[in-house]
Amino acid sequence: DAGITQSPRHKVTETGTPVTLRCHQTENHRYMYWYRQDPGHGLRLIHYSYGVKDTDKGEVSDGYSVSRSKTEDFLLTLESATSSQTSVYFCAISPRGQDNYGYTFGSGTRLTVV
Amino acid sequence: SQQGEEDPQALSIQEGENATMNCSYKTSINNLQWYRQNSGRGLVHLILIRSNEREKHSGRLRVTLDTSKKSSSLLITASRAADTASYFCATEDGNNRLAFGKGNQVVVIP
Repeated sequence: DAGITQSPRHKVTETGTPVTLRCHQTENHRYMYWYRQDPGHGLRLIHYSYGVKDTDKGEVSDGYSVSRSKTEDFLLTLESATSSQTSVYFCAISPRGQDNYGYTFGSGTRLTVV
Repeated sequence: SQQGEEDPQALSIQEGENATMNCSYKTSINNLQWYRQNSGRGLVHLILIRSNEREKHSGRLRVTLDTSKKSSSLLITASRAADTASYFCATEDGNNRLAFGKGNQVVVIP
């Protein structure tokens, strides 16, 4: 999607290894979010950021950490990957303050933990 | 826990018919948003309705919001095959967090 990119698009990793997913935006939006999408659960918020170095937990934050050292980058780290973290991960950005703002989502990262 | 819950979960209609989806939520909200997701793709924002609004239109989309019943509906008029997708409602709370329902799969038959 325009203005937001996620990398990698696909990744297979082994149980117990650390994994970092990257979200990069060119829109200079203050708010960034990480969601995971699983069948039967819809999208669930993992962590979000409301500014550089300002982050907070979502509803499914256990086993995940995030960092935001620059406005444009929001990193999601699985400290020790487990099979339950196999999922599709989406990053989103929000402009806020505009009349009809919606969130813009990246194309997703499909992560498989074996 | 899921904030939004869409009903029905799957809908199959003929091209040209209208499609209606409902969403309920549990807590107070700043706004409610609807998104579309095509298979294997990211979500696309369709429309946002603020908590002090009751109805909003955008092209073939009509959204209503009833805060007393904590419910919303999305109407797609004159559906097209290209409208085949999953549709999600999402509510934004006072902490700028967006919570999604489980989604509503719509199939439009040409």
